[in-house]
Amino acid sequence: RKEVEQDPGPFNVPEGATVAFNCTYSNSASQSFFWYRQDCRKEPKLLMSVYSSGNEDGRFTAQLNRASQYISLLIRDSKLSDSATYLCVVINDYKLSFGAGTTVTVRA
Amino acid sequence: DVKVTQSSRYLVKRTGEKVFLECVQDMDHENMFWYRQDPGLGLRLIYFSYDVKMKEKGDIPEGYSVSREKKERFSLILESASTNQTSMYLCASILGKGGELFFGSGTQLSVL
Repeated sequence: RKEVEQDPGPFNVPEGATVAFNCTYSNSASQSFFWYRQDCRKEPKLLMSVYSSGNEDGRFTAQLNRASQYISLLIRDSKLSDSATYLCVVINDYKLSFGAGTTVTVRA
Repeated sequence: DVKVTQSSRYLVKRTGEKVFLECVQDMDHENMFWYRQDPGLGLRLIYFSYDVKMKEKGDIPEGYSVSREKKERFSLILESASTNQTSMYLCASILGKGGELFFGSGTQLSVL
């Protein structure tokens, strides 16, 4: 079983829609969780950290469910510029494990 | 502005060549990483280093070695390049264990 698994998508949504997807992790001792965004042919960049209590940054909401070992990302009021691949990152000690990414395409 | 710099954006090498990929960060980060990214497989960790002269194998170290002689520089070495090492290589650094990971812009390596 992979350490971190994501639904690859693609999620193809109209502008203004809400889209949500999860990332599951296998190591219950994992300590830190992040969502990264990667545009085509670019390096990944931090979108947001994921806190136990859940956190929001504008139209983006991240949640952590330790009992079921998954994190989620919800994007409200999708914009064309949200089209990207979203990578979840799970950290256990010095080891960072990446999901393979969820592709989101927002259409006009 | 923080920076992780990879020496080449595109590289074409022949099978059997020795290949050096260089990465330099200017943030005084202890921890540095080398990943490769392939379609459908995501980022896979090759090696990481949490201090000068220290190195740890990641998930796919075979065919690779690394060098970290100075804190700011982490080099990835392909001793004898093979076609299955054609990939996007990404270097990254992080200050502690749970902080933001900063990536270089990547090196697209093609081995012919």
